[in-house]
Amino acid sequence: EDKVVQSPLSLVVHEGDTVTLNCSYEVTNFRSLLWYKQEKKAPTFLFMLTSSGIEKKSGRLSSILDKKELFSILNITATQTGDSAIYLCAVGLLKETSGSRLTFGEGTQLTVNP
Amino acid sequence: NAGVTQTPKFRVLKTGQSMTLLCAQDMNHEYMYWYRQDPGMGLRLIHYSVGEGTTAKGEVPDGYNVSRLKKQNFLLGLESAAPSQTSVYFCASRPTGGGTGELFFGEGSRLTVL
Repeated sequence: EDKVVQSPLSLVVHEGDTVTLNCSYEVTNFRSLLWYKQEKKAPTFLFMLTSSGIEKKSGRLSSILDKKELFSILNITATQTGDSAIYLCAVGLLKETSGSRLTFGEGTQLTVNP
Repeated sequence: NAGVTQTPKFRVLKTGQSMTLLCAQDMNHEYMYWYRQDPGMGLRLIHYSVGEGTTAKGEVPDGYNVSRLKKQNFLLGLESAAPSQTSVYFCASRPTGGGTGELFFGEGSRLTVL
């Protein structure tokens, strides 16, 4: 059974702190790992990672994938209250008989206090 | 700039009633997905479609049916609603298969079954 596990499930920090969110996976036919941010409504796309060891960066957010150890981390530096959200990790799989799909982890609820 | 549109956005049902959620995308995407989101459980895949006329079961398909008669539309049906189906439902689409590529999400449909 394909499994994606995120940790921690919730995290409370103060503005200016740096946080690291973790995502580990056990899946067959791995193709990609994606990070999403979800505030009130629909998840919004942050990063997609397919190659090991290559960091993706966007402003204060960065992410890296380790395909040997089967995990990814999402770093947020100098956190702001606007970073408060649920962060979702998803793994893209290719199923031989039924095409591709994304399997999501439970999400990490990040709260940034002023 | 519609993207992925879900209707209705809110609905309250009584146990045993039936209903259909409609998802429409105007991006000519091949792949479409229905997820449900419950507190602490991330996004769980109900059914998905890899192209017009095709459907496949996801992680939690029981109690739901789907149809993809037209490429731009993906319908999710509940034949006999149960309180356990109270959830927020998200539709998503992506242009490519192969397990890569970001998902584009609708705004969600909040369903309450009494």
